[in-house]
Amino acid sequence: AQSVSQHNHHVILSEAASLELGCNYSYGGTVNLFWYVQYPGQHLQLLLKYFSGDPLVKGIKGFEAEFIKSKFSFNLRKPSVQWSDTAEYFCAVRPGGSARQLTFGSGTQLTVLP
Amino acid sequence: EPEVTQTPSHQVTQMGQEVILRCVPISNHLYFYWYRQILGQKVEFLVSFYNNEISEKSEIFDDQFSVERPDGSNFTLKIRSTKLEDSAMYFCASSAVAGAYNEQFFGPGTRLTVL
Repeated sequence: AQSVSQHNHHVILSEAASLELGCNYSYGGTVNLFWYVQYPGQHLQLLLKYFSGDPLVKGIKGFEAEFIKSKFSFNLRKPSVQWSDTAEYFCAVRPGGSARQLTFGSGTQLTVLP
Repeated sequence: EPEVTQTPSHQVTQMGQEVILRCVPISNHLYFYWYRQILGQKVEFLVSFYNNEISEKSEIFDDQFSVERPDGSNFTLKIRSTKLEDSAMYFCASSAVAGAYNEQFFGPGTRLTVL
C-alpha cells in the first residue's frame, strides 16, 4: 500500500518569504500526485496535480511542485508567500492507472505573518 | 462553477444512534467517494462508489457503514450505530472519470460529533 509523509507539521513564515513544503511517498509503481489546500473553514481545494510529462508542475495562486522520481518526492514551492496563503496543505498520492482512492499525508499548517 | 455540497454542516448525535450524511456530487460526475478526517489526523479514504455499487473500501469502512445513491443526485453515508471514535469531519468527493486523469472535487465536509 502507498503512504505519504509530510515532515513539516507547522511552518511559520513572514510575508514575501519563500516556501517549500516537503512531501515524500512510498509506492513502487506509477503514481499520480496532488497538492490540496484547505483554507480556514473551507473545503479541500486542488492546488496542482502531476499525472505525467514535465515534472515541474504549476498550479493556482503561484504555487508549483516538482516531481523527483528518484527521491519519491513532490515538494510544493512558492517564491513569495502572502498572508492569504495561511492554510493547511495536504499532499496526496494515488497509484497511476485504474486505482481511485487518494492517500493523504498528515498535512502542513502554514501560517504567514503579515 | 459547479461544486460538491454536503448537509448538514454539523451533526451532533448520541452514541449508538444512526446518522445519515448527505452529499450532492457535481451533476455529470460518475464516481463518488467518502473520506474522513479525525481532528488532528490525516484525511483517510473510506469508500468509493460507481455504477450503484462500491468500487473500493478501506478497513475503516466496516459493517456499521453503508453508502447509497437513493435518487440519482444524492449520495449518502450511513453510520448505523455511532461510536465516540466516529467523531470526525466527513468529506464527500466526486470525479467525472476514474483512472489516470481523475481529479476529485471535495465538498465542504460534515462535522460529526458523537457524544
